[in-house]
Formats: sequence, structure tokens, C-alpha cells
Amino acid sequence: GAVVSQHPSRVICKSGTSVKIECRSLDFQATTMFWYRQFPKQSLMLMATSNEGSKATYEQGVEKDKFLINHASLTLSTLTVTSAHPEDSSFYICSAWDIIAGELFFGEGSRLTVL
Amino acid sequence: QKEVEQNSGPLSVPEGAIASLNCTYSDRGSQSFFWYRQYSGKSPELIMFIYSNGDKEDGRFTAQLNKASQYVSLLIRDSQPSDSATYLCAVLPYSGAGSYQLTFGKGTKLSVIP
Repeated sequence: GAVVSQHPSRVICKSGTSVKIECRSLDFQATTMFWYRQFPKQSLMLMATSNEGSKATYEQGVEKDKFLINHASLTLSTLTVTSAHPEDSSFYICSAWDIIAGELFFGEGSRLTVL
Repeated sequence: QKEVEQNSGPLSVPEGAIASLNCTYSDRGSQSFFWYRQYSGKSPELIMFIYSNGDKEDGRFTAQLNKASQYVSLLIRDSQPSDSATYLCAVLPYSGAGSYQLTFGKGTKLSVIP
């Protein structure tokens, strides 16, 4: 089946630094990718919809200046957490829609810990 | 607002039994329905999807869809301890061409007791 690769899988950073997470669709083109955040024992929370070649659409309550999303190609979207704080520590998951297969595939997730 | 409702559980079943997971959705125009499994600390993985009313079987899993009742379910036969996970129901609402944003339920936690 289609594969979505997310990197890094784990990252630890100091408060105030920025962290970039990459999401790649490996064997299909993804015009639309999604970024989610999940806190322990909580459900998936959609943060934003990333569209190739255009600005991301953010969900209510998600700061677009803090969570920068770039979708510059049909196979890559990036999420940059700027000026990270301990409360940003979470499991960040991307997904990509395979239009041909009609399925949504998830990346492996990136666990961010901000000290 | 488009909503997808699931019982949060936990749902406990003995090994070998049938686990029944239920999901209701509010958008009557929804067109596609997905079941994902998420193990603790991992990202969701697709189990199966269903588009048409009725049953769809894949191995030990059967998805059932009733659009009139706005209800979709997942049956797991011969449940195994390895099936213990959170099961997410997801719905693709109809929002016009080019919209691929799934609406997820909060998930049902399944525990299969050996």
C-alpha cells in the first residue's frame, strides 16, 4: 500500500528553539496533506490542511505564525514549530490523501519533547 | 457542524469473541467511511473502508454501513489480544469536489482479554 514517511520520529529540543517535521508521500502524489496533534490519551486534533502550492488552512485556535506549514511539492509538506515551549510537547502526525486509491494514509508520527 | 460519534469505551471482550464497534455520523451526505486502528504511541493505520450500504468483509474484519440510519460499524471476529487498540471511525463528508478532509470520531478503546 501507499506509504507516508515522517521525519524525525522523535525530537527533543530546548524551549525557544524551532523544530521542523517533514512528511513525504513515497509512492504517490499528494496535493492535500493534513497535520494533526495528539496529546496523551486524547483524540486526534486536526491542526491544518496543507495544499500544494498554496497557503495552509488552519483550524480554529491553531496559531499559523507558530505552526508554519509549507507544501512546496506534491510529495513533501513540512511543519515548523517555532519558538517551541513545553506545552507544545505532543505527538504530531501527518497524513496524505491518495486520490487514486481514495484513501488517507498516515505518517508514523513525530514525538516532540520541549524541555 | 459535521460530527462523528463513537463510544469511548473501554470495550472489553474475551479472546475469541466478536468485538462490535459502533459509529454514528451527522452529515447525511457523507460518502465514504473508514476504520483506523491506533496502538498506543503509534499513528493510525487503515483497517478498511466502505462506500456502499451493506457489509464488507476483509479477513476477520467486517464493516457494516447503513446510510439511512447514519450508522457504520466494525465487527472483529475471533478477537485477539493483539487487536487491543483504539479504533477510529472517520467519515468523508460531501463538501464538493476536491475536498478530502476526513472527520474523525474520538475513538473506541478495545481491550481483548486473554
